[in-house]
Amino acid sequence: DAGVIQSPRHEVTEMGQEVTLRCKPISGHDYLFWYRQTMMRGLELLIYFNNNVPIDDSGMPEDRFSAKMPNASFSTLKIQPSEPRDSAVYFCASSRPGQGNTEAFFGQGTRLTVV
Amino acid sequence: SQQGEEDPQALSIQEGENATMNCSYKTSINNLQWYRQNSGRGLVHLILIRSNEREKHSGRLRVTLDTSKKSSSLLITASRAADTASYFCATDAGGNNRLAFGKGNQVVVIP
Repeated sequence: DAGVIQSPRHEVTEMGQEVTLRCKPISGHDYLFWYRQTMMRGLELLIYFNNNVPIDDSGMPEDRFSAKMPNASFSTLKIQPSEPRDSAVYFCASSRPGQGNTEAFFGQGTRLTVV
Repeated sequence: SQQGEEDPQALSIQEGENATMNCSYKTSINNLQWYRQNSGRGLVHLILIRSNEREKHSGRLRVTLDTSKKSSSLLITASRAADTASYFCATDAGGNNRLAFGKGNQVVVIP
């Protein structure tokens, strides 16, 4: 397996534009997580899915953020409209908890810059 | 919310020395994990220790867990320049398979 695949790797957009980040989890993993990493706040969990169903979106900062998982092999994180303070690295991770092993596999991240 | 809190935040050592970093957490856990992040990359899982374990080894890594103090330590022995990275602890409090990460320790190993 190629691991968790995120696209794009880098995104530069103007304030007010819509941004869509994409993630392909590892095949067979039934949990998918979206994290945001900044110097100030560290690694924050935004939302996670189990079997394509959103379980907890309490980390989503505002209504401008939305996430979907239409099937087991694809998820998107959308920001509309984007703002400069959304600039961060966004990570997708997947896992297949079993026998208490919750090891998460991370993608390479999308570095978002909103100008 | 973030649970793990690593200490110290930054560590600079000479190659060959040992590096130790600590992590504390607030609530009961099923397990605690350590991850490494190289600059510009995603996090990579290093080791997992379950709540009923006190110590675990993997290669040059040694992890301890003290559930009474709600703390863990990660020791990297005989450090190498390639160990330069940020190290994060993560806990799965609540048994809901979600991980909460600390803010990370930056380790620089000087050749």
